[in-house]
Amino acid sequence: GQNIDQPTEMTATEGAIVQINCTYQTSGFNGLFWYQQHAGEAPTFLSYNVLDGLEEKGRFSSFLSRSKGYSYLLLKELQMKDSASYLCAVRAAGYGQNFVFGPGTRLSVLP
Amino acid sequence: DGGITQSPKYLFRKEGQNVTLSCEQNLNHDAMYWYRQDPGQGLRLIYYSQIVNDFQKGDIAEGYSVSREKKESFPLTVTSAQKNPTAFYLCASTKGSGANVLTFGAGSRLTVL
Repeated sequence: GQNIDQPTEMTATEGAIVQINCTYQTSGFNGLFWYQQHAGEAPTFLSYNVLDGLEEKGRFSSFLSRSKGYSYLLLKELQMKDSASYLCAVRAAGYGQNFVFGPGTRLSVLP
Repeated sequence: DGGITQSPKYLFRKEGQNVTLSCEQNLNHDAMYWYRQDPGQGLRLIYYSQIVNDFQKGDIAEGYSVSREKKESFPLTVTSAQKNPTAFYLCASTKGSGANVLTFGAGSRLTVL
């Protein structure tokens, strides 16, 4: 089967650093993707990993360990506008190479 | 600018009616997808298409139908057989296989009265 787990909710303070974890079990692997989704809007792409290690993009970084089926998204210097849901998705192997999404982590940034 | 256009943004339907949600992309992407999102939940795959004139069922295809007559277009019909159609519907596309980013349209919010 295919399964992706993330914490349901997290809270952090403005200016702090937060780490959102994601564990996965999927049929093959063609990349792990992180999306941000504000309430009522479509998801927007943040970062992706294909190989093990850390990818840094400004205030956002994503880490991947394929052997452990584990990834995290690191958000630095949190701002109020970072309050959103963060979706972890894996592109599976096989025909279609579908994107399997986790339930999303709702992050609240407090002043 | 390239992107995905979904219409309508908001749609109200009476029980027993079929409705069709439009999805058009000018990104020259091969693969297109339809997802459903319920409040506070993740995305669930309804249908996907890798090439023109071919499409496959996703995890929750019952009560939905699609067509892919053109590369740019992938409309979704929500039929009266779908028991709980009120949801946020997202169309997405990607270039092809491998680690290519999935791009989303703005979404269509369907409410059944």
